Amino acid sequence: QQQVKQSPQSLIVQKGGISIINCAYENTAFDYFPWYQQFPGKGPALLIAIRPDVSEKKEGRFTISFNKSAKQFSLHIMDSQPGDSATYFCAALASTGGGNKLTFGTGTQLKVEL
Amino acid sequence: NAGVTQTPKFQVLKTGQSMTLQCAQDMNHNSMYWYRQDPGMGLRLIYYSASEGTTDKGEVPNGYNVSRLNKREFSLRLESAAPSQTSVYFCASSESMTGRHTGELFFGEGSRLTVL
Repeated sequence: QQQVKQSPQSLIVQKGGISIINCAYENTAFDYFPWYQQFPGKGPALLIAIRPDVSEKKEGRFTISFNKSAKQFSLHIMDSQPGDSATYFCAALASTGGGNKLTFGTGTQLKVEL
Repeated sequence: NAGVTQTPKFQVLKTGQSMTLQCAQDMNHNSMYWYRQDPGMGLRLIYYSASEGTTDKGEVPNGYNVSRLNKREFSLRLESAAPSQTSVYFCASSESMTGRHTGELFFGEGSRLTVL
């Protein structure tokens, strides 16, 4: 049972464009939503995270948009660069009663072309 | 600052062989995890250890065992490897599993295992 659904599976964006990756969840107990970035041959690393008390969080070119009523959240990468080419995972966690274990989406392979 | 260190990085096994993946963290974290990553499946939790002395099953524990040797080390054992266990395995750690500071996992660089 996939508790966090992520799309698209792969994405090609031109340099300078906007990359958008979407995730949806069912468990209303989730209260922490991080995005992880993974480069080839490396482990995932935390990129940016949001809690449901805000609708948007921005860090540099990376923005998370959160829609609590729709149970959806998305990652926007503005002015995408070739160095952003990586696999991106959304995740969700229920900090109380959920065992505090992250549930990951299936990943999006982003390629930014020149 | 090493962070999370996994060994070996690559391993080829024959069906039925056993092996242990080693993991150590130097961040004084309480919680440690083993994930497997497969194409189109994302990261799936195999086992975790909320604190030294405790271990619990994750989403896909069958065919694996773990040992939390001490606060720093958490090993994953395959007793009788099967081709379905061909995967990339990641160890991770976090400060704790309680409260609102549980979010960030720190991952190792992975162990690529092939079972023939």
